[in-house]
Amino acid sequence: NAGVTQTPKFRVLKTGQSMTLLCAQDMNHEYMYWYRQDPGMGLRLIHYSVGEGTTAKGEVPDGYNVSRLKKQNFLLGLESAAPSQTSVYFCASLNRGGMDTQYFGPGTRLTVL
Amino acid sequence: AQTVTQSQPEMSVQEAETVTLSCTYDTSESDYYLFWYKQPPSRQMILVIRQEAYKQQNATENRFSVNFQKAAKSFSLKISDSQLGDAAMYFCAYRSYQGAQKLVFGQGTRLTINP
Repeated sequence: NAGVTQTPKFRVLKTGQSMTLLCAQDMNHEYMYWYRQDPGMGLRLIHYSVGEGTTAKGEVPDGYNVSRLKKQNFLLGLESAAPSQTSVYFCASLNRGGMDTQYFGPGTRLTVL
Repeated sequence: AQTVTQSQPEMSVQEAETVTLSCTYDTSESDYYLFWYKQPPSRQMILVIRQEAYKQQNATENRFSVNFQKAAKSFSLKISDSQLGDAAMYFCAYRSYQGAQKLVFGQGTRLTINP
């Protein structure tokens, strides 16, 4: 049982390049989330999903797209990376109706030059 | 929309002493969860303690306890007998009972433990 995994752990991009971050969970959780963490701002929600095939915008969705084609995977895409997207990205998952906390992945550090 | 505020960007404490981290929040909901997370240099988000708003009793986990004041919308974390391993960023977070169970985080407090 690996929990929540994120791929890759580190990435450096040039402005304008695209990439996809992969989040995978093996706990059969319904809900999945993408957050970004910036100094002095805590974690902020980018997009989330309450089930396979459904996604919704969070607090800071601009410049990102997501897909949830399979229940266990939640992909975060950057179509044209900008330096403002330099951040640490966290994926999390949660069982619907659960009183438990969200389970977090280890994070991806992304630098956009 | 809910907001969470941590007004102490940095705190320090002597090893074995007690330290309290502050958190206030704003919401119009009556039922919700509050959490404290620890983030060590490894970046992993670790749940420290959880409080359900309908429970009047303050949550306690070993050396960690909270002071939950619902009317004042305050949720502070007390760490007793501080240890070097407690050094980390600490985040306060709010989660609704309803809907997509999204977390709203505070800005974080960096805790340093002085030996």
